[in-house]
Amino acid sequence: RKEVEQDPGPFNVPEGATVAFNCTYSNSASQSFFWYRQDCRKEPKLLMSVYSSGNEDGRFTAQLNRASQYISLLIRDSKLSDSATYLCVVKSNDYKLSFGAGTTVTVRA
Amino acid sequence: GAVVSQHPSWVICKSGTSVKIECRSLDFQATTMFWYRQFPKQSLMLMATSNEGSKATYEQGVEKDKFLINHASLTLSTLTVTSAHPEDSSFYICSAPEVAAGDTQYFGPGTRLTVL
Repeated sequence: RKEVEQDPGPFNVPEGATVAFNCTYSNSASQSFFWYRQDCRKEPKLLMSVYSSGNEDGRFTAQLNRASQYISLLIRDSKLSDSATYLCVVKSNDYKLSFGAGTTVTVRA
Repeated sequence: GAVVSQHPSWVICKSGTSVKIECRSLDFQATTMFWYRQFPKQSLMLMATSNEGSKATYEQGVEKDKFLINHASLTLSTLTVTSAHPEDSSFYICSAPEVAAGDTQYFGPGTRLTVL
């Protein structure tokens, strides 16, 4: 079983729409959780950390459910520039990051 | 934010040659760096943890004699792909955690290796 599993998508949405997707992780001892964004042929870039109480950063909202071991990301009022692959990332207590395979989002005009 | 650089950004080589990739933390020190590999449409897979002043720790299934890692200073780690073959063609990315930023991981821009 993979450490981090994501729905690969793709999610094709019109501009202005809301899109949401989840990931699940297998290691209940995982310490920290993140969403990264990766554009084609580029390195991943941190989008936001995910906290147990849930957190927002502009149009992005992340939620963590430790009991069910899943993490979600919601994007409101989608922009064309939001088109990317979103990586769910889980960190163990030794700095190692485990990556999901990514969820592809395409926002169309 | 902190910057991590990689060099070269892309390389094409013949089968059987060795290729060295450098990863540098430009404005912070990193006692630990990580090397990942990403094949098309797949996730980043951790290959090894590079430790300054000591041996690297390799993930299961990664050959340490094929992927040589040297972390000789607090700002530089190198990955050498020895006797490269076409199946080693991939996107290699390094990352380094910055302690001052709460261990936020910063990624290098990646090195695209193509072995002919």
